[in-house]
Amino acid sequence: NAGVMQNPRHLVRRRGQEARLRCSPMKGHSHVYWYRQLPEEGLKFMVYLQKENIIDESGMPKERFSAEFPKEGPSILRIQQVVRGDSAAYFCASSPRGSGIYNEQFFGPGTRLTVL
Amino acid sequence: AQTVTQSQPEMSVQEAETVTLSCTYDTSESNYYLFWYKQPPSRQMILVIRQEAYKQQNATENRFSVNFQKAAKSFSLKISDSQLGDTAMYFCAFQGAQKLVFGQGTRLTINP
Repeated sequence: NAGVMQNPRHLVRRRGQEARLRCSPMKGHSHVYWYRQLPEEGLKFMVYLQKENIIDESGMPKERFSAEFPKEGPSILRIQQVVRGDSAAYFCASSPRGSGIYNEQFFGPGTRLTVL
Repeated sequence: AQTVTQSQPEMSVQEAETVTLSCTYDTSESNYYLFWYKQPPSRQMILVIRQEAYKQQNATENRFSVNFQKAAKSFSLKISDSQLGDTAMYFCAFQGAQKLVFGQGTRLTINP
């Protein structure tokens, strides 16, 4: 059973370009979480999604950032018009169930975004 | 809102020694979970140990154990017989209903 997969592992973008980060959850998992880790900091929650629904986006910046988890295919974190401050490691985690019930979140290897 | 605080940015011990990493948290929830994650240079997040808040017994996993003080909202990690492979960043994390809230991390170095 493959773990959580993220691609690309490393992404380099110039200021003003778009970044698309992909996350394929573990088989059987329908809940996805995105976290951002700035250099020398802990992970910060961004967004929680179920298939076709955004459940909690309280950690998402109001502009330029969006996320989706379609019925088919991976979850996508999209950053438009990237700036240098977006340089970070972006982690995806998945769980088989969601709110109200504890379920361990399994983390992917992360995508390291560098904005030149 | 929940907060997690790790007051030790860096720690360093000799191989085979015991080391304790501190963590405090703040929450108004009564039912929650606490975790310690290890992040080696590969940046992969590895779950070390977890504690359910309703359980009084401290969790243990081989050389790793916790000291969970619910009233004090304290959750420290003890690593016994430390090994070179324990060198990593360690993050304390809180989980209520959904998202994980992480502390700032402690960089642990095990010296030969």
